[in-house]
Amino acid sequence: EAAVTQSPRNKVTVTGGNVTLSCRQTNSHNYMYWYRQDTGHGLRLIHYSYGAGNLQIGDVPDGYKATRTTQEDFFLLLELASPSQTSLYFCASSDRDWGGEQYFGPGTRLTVL
Amino acid sequence: AQKVTQTQTSISVMEKTTVTMDCVYETQDSSYFLFWYKQTASGEIVFLIRQDSYKKENATVGHYSLNFQKPKSSIGLIITATQIEDSAVYFCAMREGIASSSFSKLVFGQGTSLSVVP
Repeated sequence: EAAVTQSPRNKVTVTGGNVTLSCRQTNSHNYMYWYRQDTGHGLRLIHYSYGAGNLQIGDVPDGYKATRTTQEDFFLLLELASPSQTSLYFCASSDRDWGGEQYFGPGTRLTVL
Repeated sequence: AQKVTQTQTSISVMEKTTVTMDCVYETQDSSYFLFWYKQTASGEIVFLIRQDSYKKENATVGHYSLNFQKPKSSIGLIITATQIEDSAVYFCAMREGIASSSFSKLVFGQGTSLSVVP
């Protein structure tokens, strides 16, 4: 069965700290995405990628970097974490560009103190 | 720019009844794709069903079906014979077609919280 995994599942850091969120998919999908979910805003796209080495900017990219090292692995980097980045982060993958449904990981809850 | 709106914040229904959740969307594209996702209490987000804009037939998967009204830019999710386990938050999402951006980018609505009570 297709799977998207994320680590860590929970993370607490302090303002100014560095955080890396990891995502791995075993779906053999080319497309991967990072979202954040906040009350009142729903799911918002941070960055996405259509293959190793490729990166595209989403709708709320400020304060985030991303890197796609392989087809399976997609990382989200917060280099100077701020309290406004406290959120629930989801990774997703899709096998097609347009028209393909996305499959989500279990989420990472990040708290920035 | 595309936009997806779910006006129902929360709905409560009795078990074994039918519920409809509303979603309206805005797009300039003539070809697009509509999706419904379910987020459970544990936070898991699961794909439920999709509708391609060029298809006239309403999609159906299990006890989920769609009411696609293209002239009204509306895509309602219908759940029949609801069960307690259907209690969750349901998100509508849209992806514009190939004439738009070349990368798959979903825009989500705010979500509707469904509570199914015995």
